[in-house]
Amino acid sequence: GENVEQHPSTLSVQEGDSAVIKCTYSDSASNYFPWYKQELGKGPQLIIDIRSNVGEKKDQRIAVTLNKTAKHFSLHITETQPEDSAVYFCAARARIHQKVTFGIGTKLQVIP
Amino acid sequence: DSGVTQTPKHLITATGQRVTLRCSPRSGDLSVYWYQQSLDQGLQFLIQYYNGEERAKGNILERFSAQQFPDLHSELNLSSLELGDSALYFCASSVGADQETQYFGPGTRLLVL
Repeated sequence: GENVEQHPSTLSVQEGDSAVIKCTYSDSASNYFPWYKQELGKGPQLIIDIRSNVGEKKDQRIAVTLNKTAKHFSLHITETQPEDSAVYFCAARARIHQKVTFGIGTKLQVIP
Repeated sequence: DSGVTQTPKHLITATGQRVTLRCSPRSGDLSVYWYQQSLDQGLQFLIQYYNGEERAKGNILERFSAQQFPDLHSELNLSSLELGDSALYFCASSVGADQETQYFGPGTRLLVL
């Protein structure tokens, strides 16, 4: 089955700096890659997703890049703000059985 | 607010007991997913139902079962509970069956003593 590795597990940045979270996946047939943000005491919330026919997608301060050859994808947050502090999960969906597998999560702390 | 509701918010029970967690999907969503989140295992996919039928199965134990009713709400039944079953249980829903764009509920925190 699919295996998704995510790093770093924790990340501290100064407010206004950029944050990058990286994930690798094992199944080359995976074709959908969502990113979720989980704030304390809440359920995960989809913040951006990308499909395998696209190399990059942007939404305001958030961008995701996908490298199918290397089987890795990354989340980029620019001009970080304290409200960006949360746990971020990457995930990958394999095309054949269409199950989403999540990474272990990255705890992002934005220091004011 | 995602539109997905889960009850109860918290549940404390003893080993060997059985509990039922309930989920109501967003209006119009046909798929319901159940996930278990623990500190050391992250988010683990348990099972998916689509329009009343089991669609996909993940790492769900035989002691656990789920169903989706005609009104599309779902229940997750956990039996013969063990200490290790203590975790957050999330329900998510989506419009289609392909596991894209899932909306998560607030979760049920289960503590087994």
